[in-house]
Amino acid sequence: DAGVIQSPRHEVTEMGQEVTLRCKPISGHNSLFWYRQTMMRGLELLIYFNNNVPIDDSGMPEDRFSAKMPNASFSTLKIQPSEPRDSAVYFCASSSSGEYQETQYFGPGTRLLVL
Amino acid sequence: KNQVEQSPQSLIILEGKNCTLQCNYTVSPFSNLRWYKQDTGRGPVSLTIMTFSENTKSNGRYTATLDADTKQSSLHITASQLSDSASYICVVSAGGNNRLAFGKGNQVVVIP
Repeated sequence: DAGVIQSPRHEVTEMGQEVTLRCKPISGHNSLFWYRQTMMRGLELLIYFNNNVPIDDSGMPEDRFSAKMPNASFSTLKIQPSEPRDSAVYFCASSSSGEYQETQYFGPGTRLLVL
Repeated sequence: KNQVEQSPQSLIILEGKNCTLQCNYTVSPFSNLRWYKQDTGRGPVSLTIMTFSENTKSNGRYTATLDADTKQSSLHITASQLSDSASYICVVSAGGNNRLAFGKGNQVVVIP
């Protein structure tokens, strides 16, 4: 298995532009997580899907952020409009279920820089 | 105030030596505690997951302990190797709603 796949790996954009990050979870996993990581705040959970349904989006910072999971093998995280403070590494992770003890497998991350 | 505090923030150790990382949390009710290893430029990789009833769990040279009464956990690295250079992140899950609280990590550098 290729593991969790994220694209792009790096993104540089200008303030105000729309940014779309993509994630392909591990085949057979039914839980998907989007995280953001910065030096100042560390790792933060943004949103969690189970069976393609958003279960907890309380970590989404504001209305500029939206996430979708149209099917079991694909998810997007969109920022519109982007701002310099959105610069961070965004990770996608998946697990085989939403159970508390299940291991989450992280993708390599997308490094976003908003100028 | 962060619900998960890790110490030391960073440390440098000689190859072959042991070290212990600390994680104190205030999350309640407690569900489970995870330790992740994150290499520079990579995503975190799970090392251990412990529930309330477990007080120790090992993964190779990594041994995690949990004291749910004092709300403390430690990660012990035995006979460190250069490849152990990484950030180690403690994550605590709250019971009921599975909300996650993250520490900011312990940065470990192993030198030859």
